[in-house]
Amino acid sequence: SQTIHQWPATLVQPVGSPLSLECTVEGTSNPNLYWYRQAAGRGLQLLFYSVGIGQISSEVPQNLSASRPQDRQFILSSKKLLLSDSGFYLCAWTRRGFTGATYGYTFGSGTRLTVV
Amino acid sequence: DAKTTQPPSMDCAEGRAANLPCNHSTISGNEYVYWYRQIHSQGPQYIIHGLKNNETNEMASLIITEDRKSSTLILPHATLRDTAVYYCIVRGGNKLVFGAGTILRVKS
Repeated sequence: SQTIHQWPATLVQPVGSPLSLECTVEGTSNPNLYWYRQAAGRGLQLLFYSVGIGQISSEVPQNLSASRPQDRQFILSSKKLLLSDSGFYLCAWTRRGFTGATYGYTFGSGTRLTVV
Repeated sequence: DAKTTQPPSMDCAEGRAANLPCNHSTISGNEYVYWYRQIHSQGPQYIIHGLKNNETNEMASLIITEDRKSSTLILPHATLRDTAVYYCIVRGGNKLVFGAGTILRVKS
């Protein structure tokens, strides 16, 4: 069966510090991968998605970047965190070639980031 | 992807059916309707999806109108654990874009 892992579960970082959040998927190959952010009391905002190694689409201009160094690994990074980067970060995957006919998205358990 | 409109909040008595509406009047022919829910501090959970026909699974039923411009998610016997934010999403491409959703409060 497929599983998705995200870590860490919680993180407190000072303003100006770097960030690296990792997401890995097991039990499948060639997944589509996604990063979402949810600010406190707000909805889910799609940040990045990837349909293959090295292929990143950015949805919102911001202080963050994403990379996909391996097929089942998706990394969210920042060189210098801002207070506004605080939030709940979620990774998700779906099967490659997903047209909506069969498969949904599976989400990880999330990382709660607090920038202080 | 088409936009969706949902009421911001709804209340439901425990044990009763919860009917959550969603309008998606600009939906196109190849776009599916998806429903997810998010319980506080957790990742969204897939509930059900459909294209034209009504669908039912162990969690819920999805009723899609004949013109596909609206749908209703039905939780047949709501429990306190069904209290969550419910998202209706219309999707046809690579991305799943969430709106504000409906906060469902199940009360005893």
